[in-house]
Amino acid sequence: SQQGEEDPQALSIQEGENATMNCSYKTSINNLQWYRQNSGRGLVHLILIRSNEREKHSGRLRVTLDTSKKSSSLLITASRAADTASYFCATGRTSYDKVIFGPGTSLSVIP
Amino acid sequence: GAVVSQHPSRVICKSGTSVKIECRSLDFQATTMFWYRQFPKQSLMLMATSNEGSKATYEQGVEKDKFLINHASLTLSTLTVTSAHPEDSSFYICSAREGQGVSYEQYFGPGTRLTVT
Repeated sequence: SQQGEEDPQALSIQEGENATMNCSYKTSINNLQWYRQNSGRGLVHLILIRSNEREKHSGRLRVTLDTSKKSSSLLITASRAADTASYFCATGRTSYDKVIFGPGTSLSVIP
Repeated sequence: GAVVSQHPSRVICKSGTSVKIECRSLDFQATTMFWYRQFPKQSLMLMATSNEGSKATYEQGVEKDKFLINHASLTLSTLTVTSAHPEDSSFYICSAREGQGVSYEQYFGPGTRLTVT
């Protein structure tokens, strides 16, 4: 069963703009991860945030986690055409639990 | 980072035949491996969790007799789709994790695209 829900389902922006994707989940979690998937390819791990963390940065990526609202957001700043991909959040209830994926957001960055 | 490979990357088989997909952790020992399937424009759905040396744990709705999983060593897990049908056509992705509680991160393979004709 899927744990998370993501919105928007699809997002189209101009190169240089910021892209924000949101993820909500239903049960308590130990960690939340964001992945990127280019069309028909494997997954690329972007960032992991633990339940006791509120914000994390990695390059142009910024992830926030609000456990009281059971939600997370992924912000990509200064987007590039190469950021075009599907983005998934995935949650784990414990540090070694299976990871459950949300439905994903399809991001298109127009040059 | 850790590397997980899958073989084959693409496979076409006829309806009624069986096909085996391999998942290997190349530079670490994977105590746990996961198998996912992904239909076009959809998310990854977890099929089963396999721990080395023990039986796989299947998610609800996944037929264990149809999707046979073997995790015989710390670097190899196999998924066999038995008596494949066109509705089994999908993208199958494995992931591997080193240890328990040591690393949260799962390392994903590149996926195997199965087409059943």
